[in-house]
Amino acid sequence: DAGVTQSPTHLIKTRGQQVTLRCSPKSGHDTVSWYQQALGQGPQFIFQYYEEEERQRGNFPDRFSGHQFPNYSSELNVNALLLGDSALYLCASSRGTGNTEAFFGQGTRLTVV
Amino acid sequence: AQSVTQLDSQVPVFEEAPVELRCNYSSSVSVYLFWYVQYPNQGLQLLLKYLSGSTLVESINGFEAEFNKSQTSFHLRKPSVHISDTAEYFCAVSEVIQGAQKLVFGQGTRLTINP
Repeated sequence: DAGVTQSPTHLIKTRGQQVTLRCSPKSGHDTVSWYQQALGQGPQFIFQYYEEEERQRGNFPDRFSGHQFPNYSSELNVNALLLGDSALYLCASSRGTGNTEAFFGQGTRLTVV
Repeated sequence: AQSVTQLDSQVPVFEEAPVELRCNYSSSVSVYLFWYVQYPNQGLQLLLKYLSGSTLVESINGFEAEFNKSQTSFHLRKPSVHISDTAEYFCAVSEVIQGAQKLVFGQGTRLTINP
């Protein structure tokens, strides 16, 4: 079981650019959630995808968007990057959408310069 | 909305000493609580969870946490720590809105074990 896998592991982008991060959920999981973890902070919920639809969204601007594919993998897109978008982006997968155990990937470290 | 407060940002202890990492959450009708551990430059690993049943939950590596509804707390304890326990620890509460779960995390507690 490969667990939750994310790519790339590290990324450097320039302000104003766009970025796409990818996540493959743990085998048997159908729900993917994305979190942003700024340096020295706890993770903050961005949004959750289930059945290829966004089910819940945190307090993030529309520059943050996502997608879920039929094989349950997911992408996080961020447009018009700001310096403040520099963070570790974590993907979590789970089975179903209710109260359940979430498994996290290793994260993608995004640096905006 | 749920919130989580981790009362200590850093906790230094000596090896083989006991440790307690404190976590308080905002009250709710039903609560599902988690402790995650994050080693340097890695993602989060689930340490233990409280979903229902016994208020004392244990992990395989000697940590335990007790759900206390009256004090809205879910403190993490270990009777004897090892150097390998050095990491960041996050307490989280589950919030379900319109059927979709999100985890609300505390700010984290950095546990440093000194030899």
